[in-house]
Amino acid sequence: KAGVTQTPRYLIKTRGQQVTLSCSPISGHRSVSWYQQTPGQGLQFLFEYFSETQRNKGNFPGRFSGRQFSNSRSEMNVSTLELGDSALYLCASSLSGTIGNTIYFGEGSWLTVV
Amino acid sequence: SQQGEEDPQALSIQEGENATMNCSYKTSINNLQWYRQNSGRGLVHLILIRSNEREKHSGRLRVTLDTSKKSSSLLITASRAADTASYFCATDEAGGYNKLIFGAGTRLAVHP
Repeated sequence: KAGVTQTPRYLIKTRGQQVTLSCSPISGHRSVSWYQQTPGQGLQFLFEYFSETQRNKGNFPGRFSGRQFSNSRSEMNVSTLELGDSALYLCASSLSGTIGNTIYFGEGSWLTVV
Repeated sequence: SQQGEEDPQALSIQEGENATMNCSYKTSINNLQWYRQNSGRGLVHLILIRSNEREKHSGRLRVTLDTSKKSSSLLITASRAADTASYFCATDEAGGYNKLIFGAGTRLAVHP
């Protein structure tokens, strides 16, 4: 069974540009969530989607957005990139979101903003 | 903001020794999960313990949970060089829909 797949793995963008990251969850998983990892702030929750609906959102500016498609695949978008957006972006999936759900992570997308 | 705090921040041991990492959290939880992260890679799920469980085993891993003290520990027995990684605990808030709150992690170095 394939794990959580994220693309691209590495990318470099310029300040002011926008970026879209993609995530394919484990087959059968309907919940997809996104996290940002930086040396200074650690791992922080961005948002979670289930059946194409955003159920929870972290404390990030509106430049960070996401969506989920009917096949459970998800994308996140960051507009007007800032240097501080440089981070490892991790996608995670789980069956639903109820108690006892194991949450599995992908390898992440490394974003460097220059 | 981070809910959990891991202790110690860094741990250096020899192969064959046991490694114990501790995690504290602040609010009521449904579950607590432990993850491993090798440098520059994603998070690998190690073990999940529910709030009504006190201890769980998986291979060389033993996890305990004390909800009265809001703390958990991860014990890795007979450590190997391949166990060198950062270890994170993550809790999910009641009704939080898979919103995990991570601690800062413990960096474990196992020397051959």
